[in-house]
Amino acid sequence: DQQVKQNSPSLSVQEGRISILNCDYTNSMFDYFLWYKKYPAEGPTFLISISSIKDKNEDGRFTVFLNKSAKHLSLHIVPSQPGDSAVYFCAASDFSSGSARQLTFGSGTQLTVLP
Amino acid sequence: DVKVTQSSRYLVKRTGEKVFLECVQDMDHENMFWYRQDPGLGLRLIYFSYDVKMKEKGDIPEGYSVSREKKERFSLILESASTNQTSMYLCASSLAGRNYEQYFGPGTRLTVT
Repeated sequence: DQQVKQNSPSLSVQEGRISILNCDYTNSMFDYFLWYKKYPAEGPTFLISISSIKDKNEDGRFTVFLNKSAKHLSLHIVPSQPGDSAVYFCAASDFSSGSARQLTFGSGTQLTVLP
Repeated sequence: DVKVTQSSRYLVKRTGEKVFLECVQDMDHENMFWYRQDPGLGLRLIYFSYDVKMKEKGDIPEGYSVSREKKERFSLILESASTNQTSMYLCASSLAGRNYEQYFGPGTRLTVT
């Protein structure tokens, strides 16, 4: 049973428009959420994170929103650029349980930004 | 520049062979991880280690073992490779207490025939 779900395997948007990637989770103990980006032939790289005490975190063109009551988070990219084309993984963890806790990843969404 | 390297980018092995996947990090990180990535399933944790000679099972440890004799090196071992272990294997590392920021290697595409 997947505790972190990304229901859209792919998303295409036009350059300059907003990209919205969604993620749902089922484990109410999760208290830290992250997005990773992965280009072909490379390992994933950390992009942005949010603690459960917040509902929004922004870093340049990237904003993550957290809706705890709905157990839902989203990543907004504005404006989208062709270089943003990659697979985006949502991840979550129960960090209050200790420093060595694992991350639980979603299945990923392939974002394609069309020029 | 932080770096996690994996011994092979592509590997082809036969069913029943013993397979070693090596991972080395140069960041003096305490934590190291092995994941496999499969279509539609994302990244699933096989094993992780938070110190030399220490290991913990992840979500899918069956059929795998690990070894961490030195801080910078974490090995994944397939004792007897099977076709259902054909996958992309990713190694990662992180500082103690900072699991949210894991640094990944480029991955090893293993095919078991």
